Order: sequence, then C-alpha cells, then structure tokens
Amino acid sequence: DAGVIQSPRHEVTEMGQEVTLRCKPISGHDYLFWYRQTMMRGLELLIYFNNNVPIDDSGMPEDRFSAKMPNASFSTLKIQPSEPRDSAVYFCASSLGFGGTDTQYFGPGTRLTVL
Amino acid sequence: AQSVTQLGSHVSVSEGALVLLRCNYSSSVPPYLFWYVQYPNQGLQLLLKYTSAATLVKGINGFEAEFKKSETSFHLTKPSAHMSDAAEYFCAVRIPGGNKLTFGTGTQLKVEL
Repeated sequence: DAGVIQSPRHEVTEMGQEVTLRCKPISGHDYLFWYRQTMMRGLELLIYFNNNVPIDDSGMPEDRFSAKMPNASFSTLKIQPSEPRDSAVYFCASSLGFGGTDTQYFGPGTRLTVL
Repeated sequence: AQSVTQLGSHVSVSEGALVLLRCNYSSSVPPYLFWYVQYPNQGLQLLLKYTSAATLVKGINGFEAEFKKSETSFHLTKPSAHMSDAAEYFCAVRIPGGNKLTFGTGTQLKVEL
C-alpha cells in the first residue's frame, strides 16, 4: 500500500482565502484522523471519522474549520476564511481500529502558510 | 485524563553514543504507550509500542523502550546513535478502553560527528 496520501504538500495562501486539504487513507482502514502541528501547541487532534462518519470534532478550533469524508478513500479539511494563525502542518492519519494498541499511520502532512 | 511529559525538548549526542529520550506518563490505569519518530518534512512513523505483553519493547532501527510502572516511565534508548537518527521523537499514551492518543511535546534529537 502507498500509505496515507495528502495533498498538497505545501500551500501558501492569503488571509481570507478558502483552503482545502485532501487526504486518502490506507485502504481498509476504518478510522481517519486530522491533526494540526504547531510549535506552540504541539500535535492536536482536530477531528476523527469512523466509517466515513464524523465521531468527535471537539478539537476543531472554530466554525471556520470543517471536515468531510464522502467515501472511504477520501477526506477533506477546509478552512474558510483562512487566517495567519491557521499556519501549521496538518496531518492526516488512518488506522484499522481506534483504541487499545491500534497503530495510527500518518501521512506526510500539508504545510499551510497563511499570509 | 492521561498525559505524557517528555523531558528535554532538544537532545544532542555524538555519533556512536547512547541515545536516551525520556518520557513519563500520567494515567489512572496502566496505559498503552507509543514512540513515534518524525523525520524532517515527513509524517510520524511508529517506532514501537507497549501493549502490556512485555516491559521491554524492541522497535525499528535499533530502538527499544522499557515500561517501568514504579517510575511511570517509558524512556526510549538506542545503544549507538547514527547520523540518520536525527529527527523529532514523540511519546504518546492511550488508556485501555479509551481511544484518543495523547502526544507529548516532542524531543528533537541531534547527532553530531
């Protein structure tokens, strides 16, 4: 398997613009996670899905953030409108299960810069 | 709630020297513990995990970690550092029956000639 695929790898945009990050999980994995990594806050879980259904979005910082998973092989994280403080690396991860000793497999991340 | 503390945000060792990265956990029950590595411009990769089967866990690339309940620790070690080990290392915890993985703040390992 190719692993978790994320696109784009880098995104530079201006404040106020809409940003869409994309993720393709590992085939057969039932769980998908979106994380944000910053120097100040470390690695934060934003939202996770089980079988394409959002289960916990308590980590989503504001209404400007939204995530969807229309099918088992694709998810998006959208920020509208974007702000400079959204600048971070966004990771997508997937796993077979969620709990116990299940391993999460991470994608390479999208480095977002909002000017 | 569970948490992990990684002592030392930056650790520097000489090539060939022992690597020791510290992780202490806080949990109301014996937890599951993980070490992940992040190479520059890449995602996190699992190094090893403690699943309560054995207290000494061996992982990839020569790394190992020992679960010590009395010290609430899960330190990561490698006998001889290699230049390719330079990366950021994250300790993470999950309680049995729980689901969320809680990450530490990370330790940046630098390996010098």
